[in-house]
Amino acid sequence: SQKIEQNSEALNIQEGKTATLTCNYTNYSPAYLQWYRQDPGRGPVFLLLIRENEKEKRKERLKVTFDTTLKQSLFHITASQPADSATYLCALDGGNQGGKLIFGQGTELSVKP
Amino acid sequence: GAGVSQTPSNKVTEKGKYVELRCDPISGHTALYWYRQSLGQGPEFLIYFQGTGAADDSGLPNDRFFAVRPEGSVSTLKIQRTERGDSAVYLCASTPGLANTGELFFGEGSRLTVL
Repeated sequence: SQKIEQNSEALNIQEGKTATLTCNYTNYSPAYLQWYRQDPGRGPVFLLLIRENEKEKRKERLKVTFDTTLKQSLFHITASQPADSATYLCALDGGNQGGKLIFGQGTELSVKP
Repeated sequence: GAGVSQTPSNKVTEKGKYVELRCDPISGHTALYWYRQSLGQGPEFLIYFQGTGAADDSGLPNDRFFAVRPEGSVSTLKIQRTERGDSAVYLCASTPGLANTGELFFGEGSRLTVL
């Protein structure tokens, strides 16, 4: 079965710096990968989707890369702000034709002013 | 409603009791998903529906867990003979079709505590 690993330790950075979060997976290559943001006590909120034939995708201050050789996705937040503090979840397709997503355990990001 | 609605938001029950958790998806969304999230972990897939039928129930942990979606809209997750290990946040999500067409829209979750 697919295994997903995200930075298990919380990431603490200074406001204005770039935050980089890692998502590694094993086994089969997913057809697509998604990133979600989750605030305490709330449901996850979708941020970006990147497909296997795309190397990079951007949305405002967010950038996602997808390296199918390394089996890794990197998620970058540039010019980080304290409001970016949250847990970020990586999710991969479940490897069949259905819509199931497999989630990583998440990385907690804290941006200090 | 505008988003996915889940009720109750909090449920405290005793070991051995029966629990129902309800999910009202975004109007018109055909696919509905149930996930379970324990503290410090990512959401764990339980089951998903396309319309009224369960398209994949491979994540249900055992036969104490059951979910229905009789009219292709509202879904109910049912847990029989609850155990302390069932304590978690149960998340529901919906999409217009399959997830590979875009994002999952999540509700705020139902926090279940089994004493």
